[in-house]
Amino acid sequence: AQSVTQLGSHVSVSEGALVLLRCNYSSSVPPYLFWYVQYPNQGLQLLLKYTSAATLVKGINGFEAEFKKSETSFHLTKPSAHMSDAAEYFCAVSRTGTASKLTFGTGTRLQVTL
Amino acid sequence: GAGVSQSPSNKVTEKGKDVELRCDPISGHTALYWYRQSLGQGLEFLIYFQGNSAPDKSGLPSDRFSAERTGGSVSTLTIQRTQQEDSAVYLCAAGSGGAYEQYFGPGTRLTVT
Repeated sequence: AQSVTQLGSHVSVSEGALVLLRCNYSSSVPPYLFWYVQYPNQGLQLLLKYTSAATLVKGINGFEAEFKKSETSFHLTKPSAHMSDAAEYFCAVSRTGTASKLTFGTGTRLQVTL
Repeated sequence: GAGVSQSPSNKVTEKGKDVELRCDPISGHTALYWYRQSLGQGLEFLIYFQGNSAPDKSGLPSDRFSAERTGGSVSTLTIQRTQQEDSAVYLCAAGSGGAYEQYFGPGTRLTVT
């Protein structure tokens, strides 16, 4: 079985500050890991993915995440928050191999303040 | 098409009625997934189609839920005898097998009154 845990259902940062959204995974097999963003009343948009290549993954909108097997973590970071980053962020895990269902975390709502 | 489309965008139905939700996936994407997003349960997997293989129905919450995919393209999720707990946003996603990531449609918001 696979699962992800997102620590902090709400995170608030000032514009220009570092964004750190935490995700820890549990998997009995090597995982693939994803971060998705959801803006209000929209579907999910892929930010970045880890599929067993480089452990530091760069995504869209200046976000990146680092896969740390020893810590079973895949935290999402961005050096400088922008007002447009306010949204809900979901970490997800799937099995390696052929395409597989995603198991999502409970989400973290990011608020960016002036 | 350029992306995944879903219809209707909103559906209000009375308890006990049947509803059909439609998903038009990205052309050429062989994998299609349905998920449900609700306040109490978060994002849950429902069902997954991959090419001509038997679908993975392991996430369907009850036998009132079913889905089909015609011609390897359009998919319909049917909920029979809707209940208030079925109220949620139903999301469809398309994948291309080897690429692993999934591309989501905008969702259908279902409200059961």
